[in-house]
Amino acid sequence: DAKTTQPNSMESNEEEPVHLPCNHSTISGTDYIHWYRQLPSQGPEYVIHGLTSNVNNRMASLAIAEDRKSSTLILHRATLRDAAVYYCILRDSAPSGAGSYQLTFGKGTKLSVIP
Amino acid sequence: NAGVTQTPKFQVLKTGQSMTLQCAQDMNHNSMYWYRQDPGMGLRLIYYSASEGTTDKGEVPNGYNVSRLNKREFSLRLESAAPSQTSVYFCASSHLRANTEAFFGQGTRLTVV
Repeated sequence: DAKTTQPNSMESNEEEPVHLPCNHSTISGTDYIHWYRQLPSQGPEYVIHGLTSNVNNRMASLAIAEDRKSSTLILHRATLRDAAVYYCILRDSAPSGAGSYQLTFGKGTKLSVIP
Repeated sequence: NAGVTQTPKFQVLKTGQSMTLQCAQDMNHNSMYWYRQDPGMGLRLIYYSASEGTTDKGEVPNGYNVSRLNKREFSLRLESAAPSQTSVYFCASSHLRANTEAFFGQGTRLTVV
């Protein structure tokens, strides 16, 4: 399974942009990059995903490096509600066997937002 | 929309007791997953079911069994609970396609004393 590496924690001031990095140097050409976040005492929720091109939605933007070995989740204006653990994971779009359907999470990045 | 529903939300067990955690989804998803999350840790995959009729071990399957009862339901059973299984358990579901999102339940907080 392709793995991801994220910093353990980050801090941001409220109303400032936040760039959350993720390294996935062993990514395959068929892996989608997904981001989820987990608010305190809740289950994880989907944020955004992409394959090659940068993506935007109402929650965030995803910037994917040209070689796809890293990506950055961008929160344009952090709010206190964005304080959460953010997970970067990979999903294989060309699975070869049952093991490819695993949805594996690492420890994520704990984002603290300072008022 | 119910999404992914887990029952119960809270449970206290004595060491050696058994119980089944229930999970149901109403989104017609093929794949379902069980995770555990210990304090301050990330999610660890216990078992998953890529599609109805199949189940596979994840990272930490020991001490657990699963049943994919039908497309909607995926249960997790602890046959003989141990204090080390004290954790928050999350169920998730998704379509098979990798460009779709997974949905999570609100979790079951299990304490084994």
